[in-house]
Amino acid sequence: ETGVTQSPTHLIKTRGQQVTLRCSSQSGHNTVSWYQQALGQGPQFIFQYYREEENGRGNFPPRFSGLQFPNYSSELNVNALELDDSALYLCASSLGTGGRTDTQYFGPGTRLTVL
Amino acid sequence: GNSVTQMEGPVTLSEEAFLTINCTYTATGYPSLFWYVQYPGEGLQLLLKATKADDKGSNKGFEATYRKETTSFHLEKGSVQVSDSAVYFCALSNAGGTSYGKLTFGQGTILTVHP
Repeated sequence: ETGVTQSPTHLIKTRGQQVTLRCSSQSGHNTVSWYQQALGQGPQFIFQYYREEENGRGNFPPRFSGLQFPNYSSELNVNALELDDSALYLCASSLGTGGRTDTQYFGPGTRLTVL
Repeated sequence: GNSVTQMEGPVTLSEEAFLTINCTYTATGYPSLFWYVQYPGEGLQLLLKATKADDKGSNKGFEATYRKETTSFHLEKGSVQVSDSAVYFCALSNAGGTSYGKLTFGQGTILTVHP
């Protein structure tokens, strides 16, 4: 069974640029959630996709957007990067419809640095 | 809204000491509760979970009991090892309204175990 994978591992961008992060969900999982983890903090929910539709969104501006593909892999896009966007971006996959008992399995994350 | 509060860290213990990391939560309804562990430079790994009151989650010698009356989910281990050194996150998942199964995390507790 293949776990959750993310690419790239590390990324350095400058303020104002755009970035795309990628995630492959665990085999058999149809739901992908994205989280932002600032240094020394707990992860914060960005949004969730279920069967290619956005299933919920946290308190993040519209310049954070996403996609889920028919194979359930996903992308996180961030436009007009700001210095505060520097963080570890975590993708998690699960099987279900976003119910409270679903267990989310995390990938290793993408470390984004904005200069 | 939902929130999770963990005990302040960091926690430093000697090998074979007893570990407790406190976690309390605020949520409506009946959330599921989780402990995740993050080793340096890695993503989050699920340690254990409990989905209803009085459930006990356990894994690798760690245990936590879902106490609805005290809204708590404290993590315990009888004898820690150096390899347990990591950051531990308490989290909850709720459903209904705008919660749609997203994870709400505490701020994390750094555990360091010395030989």
